[in-house]
Amino acid sequence: GQQVMQIPQYQHVQEGEDFTTYCNSSTTLSNIQWYKQRPGGHPVFLIQLVKSGEVKKQKRLTFQFGEAKKNSSLHITATQTTDVGTYFCAGPNTGNQFYFGTGTSLTVIP
Amino acid sequence: ETGVTQTPRHLVMGMTNKKSLKCEQHLGHNAMYWYKQSAKKPLELMFVYSLEERVENNSVPSRFSPECPNSSHLFLHLHTLQPEDSALYLCASSLGDTQYFGPGTRLTVL
Repeated sequence: GQQVMQIPQYQHVQEGEDFTTYCNSSTTLSNIQWYKQRPGGHPVFLIQLVKSGEVKKQKRLTFQFGEAKKNSSLHITATQTTDVGTYFCAGPNTGNQFYFGTGTSLTVIP
Repeated sequence: ETGVTQTPRHLVMGMTNKKSLKCEQHLGHNAMYWYKQSAKKPLELMFVYSLEERVENNSVPSRFSPECPNSSHLFLHLHTLQPEDSALYLCASSLGDTQYFGPGTRLTVL
């Protein structure tokens, strides 16, 4: 079956360091979405990328969608303690079935 | 606040109990979802309703029974659950691809 894997599963960084999570799908996705779930909270939509090779920025966050539309990355520059949480990629395949990635849990050490 | 509410927020039940989880959205969305989130596991999609019709049922045991009486309400009826069913149950709704999550119901089965 389809899989959407994220690496790393866990990441601890010192505040101010950069952070990257990678998302890999076993099949092509129509679009890629990123969600953030704070500890004890629920997933909250961050952004959607649709085009092959698309790059979008939100302040310190940079999102990329791969050329083959099977992978994506989220990069955070100069992490802050407010960045703590689990980051999920997600998206529908060409059959319109929606899948969430396995998530990357980010801990930021002050 | 995402406009998606869930009740109750916490539920403890015995294996012989029958209970229901409720989800409500007033965002004008036409699709609603139930997810199960267990510790150290990715989000598991359980059921999808589009325009009040069930369009996806991902091999969920029959002890979980969804109901979608209208486009704003979604229920998950629970009966004879097992301890391994203890998890966070998240409801989400969408109009397009982007999903908006409720705060979840933390379920503990004793």
